[in-house]
Amino acid sequence: SYVLTQPPSVSVAPGKTARISCGGNNIGTYSVHWYQQKPGQAPMVVIFSDNGRPSGIPERFSGSNSGNTATLTISGVEVGDEADYYCHVWDSSGDQWVFGGGTTLTVL
Amino acid sequence: EVQLVESGGGLVQPGGSLRLSCAASGFTFSNYWMHWVRQVPGKGLMWVSHISTTGSRISYADSVRGRFTISRDNAKSTLYLQMNSLGAEDTAVYFCARAYGDHHFDSWGQGILVTVSS
Repeated sequence: SYVLTQPPSVSVAPGKTARISCGGNNIGTYSVHWYQQKPGQAPMVVIFSDNGRPSGIPERFSGSNSGNTATLTISGVEVGDEADYYCHVWDSSGDQWVFGGGTTLTVL
Repeated sequence: EVQLVESGGGLVQPGGSLRLSCAASGFTFSNYWMHWVRQVPGKGLMWVSHISTTGSRISYADSVRGRFTISRDNAKSTLYLQMNSLGAEDTAVYFCARAYGDHHFDSWGQGILVTVSS
């Protein structure tokens, strides 16, 4: 089955740029989605289809996807961005949906 | 407003069964593929199962195939997950989620805790 690999944690100072990677074999050929989950809450999509941004999500959130790595970029990080972030793809070959292991973003 | 509300969770003994429900409102339920996702407390998200709009297309994660059954009642706007032969490894918060567009999950329920323990 398809595997997505994320770093367990990323730390960044307020106002700086955070980049969270999601690795997978030829992930550039998949459509990648990103979710934010804060403690005690359900996940919320922040990026869909590699770089689409749902209404209400700040422009500070952006995504890219190429080769074997997809990246969620958060510019001008705020304390309120502290959360777990998960990448997500649909593996059509097996009709399976796959999540990465998640990355905890800490704003120092 | 789109709402998904799970129910039916709780404590069950190993080997037991439980049926989760997810009541949908605020949208035309029959137009959307639906999913179950679970999360062991303190751990990551794991996709469990999906069902297409009419129920003609269903898939499961390997770890639950043969034990869990997903279904839906479009007339009642409700999604179900029948869970049998439960083990401690099934202890988790279970979320129902709506799939939209390019298979991303744009709406989620609040989650319901299932605890498998003697």
